[in-house]
Amino acid sequence: AQSVTQLGSHVSVSEGALVLLRCNYSSSVPPYLFWYVQYPNQGLQLLLKYTSAATLVKGINGFEAEFKKSETSFHLTKPSAHMSDAAEYFCAVSDAGFQKLVFGTGTRLLVSP
Amino acid sequence: DAGVIQSPRHEVTEMGQEVTLRCKPISGHDYLFWYRQTMMRGLELLIYFNNNVPIDDSGMPEDRFSAKMPNASFSTLKIQPSEPRDSAVYFCASSLVTLQGASYNEQFFGPGTRLTVL
Repeated sequence: AQSVTQLGSHVSVSEGALVLLRCNYSSSVPPYLFWYVQYPNQGLQLLLKYTSAATLVKGINGFEAEFKKSETSFHLTKPSAHMSDAAEYFCAVSDAGFQKLVFGTGTRLLVSP
Repeated sequence: DAGVIQSPRHEVTEMGQEVTLRCKPISGHDYLFWYRQTMMRGLELLIYFNNNVPIDDSGMPEDRFSAKMPNASFSTLKIQPSEPRDSAVYFCASSLVTLQGASYNEQFFGPGTRLTVL
């Protein structure tokens, strides 16, 4: 069965610092991987997705993630945090050809001035 | 496009009452998902449909929960009778398999319905 593990339920950074949110996946077949962001009182919004093309994926708002098969990882990064990045971030995995997503437990990003 | 539309945005009801949540997916999308989000359990997939047909309802917690999709533009999630432990935010999402058959599984989420059962 597919699964994702997000390390750290909370991550705190200072404004301007590097953001690193960790996600490791488990899948018996080549996966599709996603990062979603949820702002307070809103639905989830897609940040970026990996679908077996380039391993370094760029998303919205300056975020990017790198697919590393050898490490079964898909960590999310942003060079410089902004106050507006404070939100909850979810990693998700699916099999190619299947519409069902399996979500991680989420990581809440806190950004301090 | 208006995106996924959910109604109501907030619902407060008393234990034992029937609750109906509504969802309008993005026009042309052929998959529809219902999720529940709580602090304790995170984001849980309840059920999903393909072309209005339920495909997997293994996430529906109890028989008190039921979902229907009578047409491509409307779905309901009903709880009868409701209980305080059903209090959560319920999300609807939709997605589309492209015309070429390639599917990237991107789901588009609605704003959610915050349900409070007293």
